[in-house]
This record gives sequence, C-alpha cells and structure tokens, in this order.
Amino acid sequence: AQKVTQAQTEISVVEKEDVTLDCVYETRDTTYYLFWYKQPPSGELVFLIRRNSFDEQNEISGRYSWNFQKSTSSFNFTITASQVVDSAVYFCAHIERDSSYKLIFGSGTRLLVRP
Amino acid sequence: GAGVSQSPRYKVAKRGQDVALRCDPISGHVSLFWYQQALGQGPEFLTYFQNEAQLDKSGLPSDRFFAERPEGSVSTLKIQRTQQEDSAVYLCASSQGAGELFFGEGSRLTVL
Repeated sequence: AQKVTQAQTEISVVEKEDVTLDCVYETRDTTYYLFWYKQPPSGELVFLIRRNSFDEQNEISGRYSWNFQKSTSSFNFTITASQVVDSAVYFCAHIERDSSYKLIFGSGTRLLVRP
Repeated sequence: GAGVSQSPRYKVAKRGQDVALRCDPISGHVSLFWYQQALGQGPEFLTYFQNEAQLDKSGLPSDRFFAERPEGSVSTLKIQRTQQEDSAVYLCASSQGAGELFFGEGSRLTVL
C-alpha cells in the first residue's frame, strides 16, 4: 500500500542554519511521482517540487535542494541558510501511476526558524 | 480571481447541523479535488471531479458527505448532520489535467 512517512514532527533551528526534512515512502509501483508542499500559517498548500521515479538526479532551486534515493525509498528536502520566512509545515506526498490524481500525504514536519 | 477560492474560511456548526462548503477553482481547470486535513495531520483525499463528473469518491468518510460540481466549475462539499469528528480543514484543489495541483486556503470547520 502507498504510505509516506515524515518521522520528524517538529524541527527548530536558528536562522542561517541548514536543515534537512526527511521523507520515506512505500509503493508497489515502479512508476510514481513524489512531491513536496509548503503550508504557511495562512493554510494554502504551496507546490515546491515534483519528481518522477525514473529521475534520480538531485535538484537544487536557490536555497532548496532535494535528494531522491530509490535504494532507500527516500526523498529528503534541505533548506540551506534558513530564514524566518521558511517557517511552515512541509509535506511530502506521493502519487502512483495507476492513481495518477490521488496525492497521498505524509503527516508533515513543522519547521520553526528562529531569528 | 487568480487562485482557488474557498468559502467560508471559518464555519462553526452545532452537532447535527448541515453545512455547505464552496470551492471556486482556477478558471479553465478541468480537475477538482477535495481533501480533509485534521489538526496536525496531512491532507487526506476525499473526492475527485473531472469537469462535472465525479470520478472518485472513495475518500468520503460516510454517506453524510456529498460533493457536487454541476456545471464543471464551482464545487460544493455538503456535510449532513455534522459530528464532532468532522471538525477539520477542508481543502479544495484544482489542476489543468494531470498537472500541478493548486490549493485554496481551506475552510476550517468546527463542530461543537
């Protein structure tokens, strides 16, 4: 069955520290997509990234980077030089090919960046 | 508007009341989704529309939950005879086919 595990419930860092948010997924399929979303206090989910299961290249976007490792079924998210505005709940999510619309979310990691 | 709009943002209902939550998706988006997010949890899938057709309602927790999208644009999620366990944030999302989901800010329902 599909499952996404975000073991870190809450992380607190001081501004400018680097922080990594962990995500482990379970899937039966060989073709799937992985996502990260940010949920600021206003409530809406903001799309950050989508990765195809065939593309294991790490990705960097500004201060954000993602490490996809199929061997360990992990899709970790690192924020470099964190800022107070990064404070939010971050969700990892997963879609299997045969359910190409139904996102399965993890329980989220609350990140608090202190000044 | 430019984004997904949901109303009301906050709703307090007494147990047993019926509620209706509205979602106005991004114009032209074919796909519309409803998710339920309990406090401290990730969103959970409720139902999916492609235009006016409800293709999947497997996530609706009981027959008290009903969703419709009669003209393929605005959608309404109706909860009859609300119970305390229905308290949650209800998120609506839309997308252009199989593309990125755009979420609204949600409707927070509190059942007393």
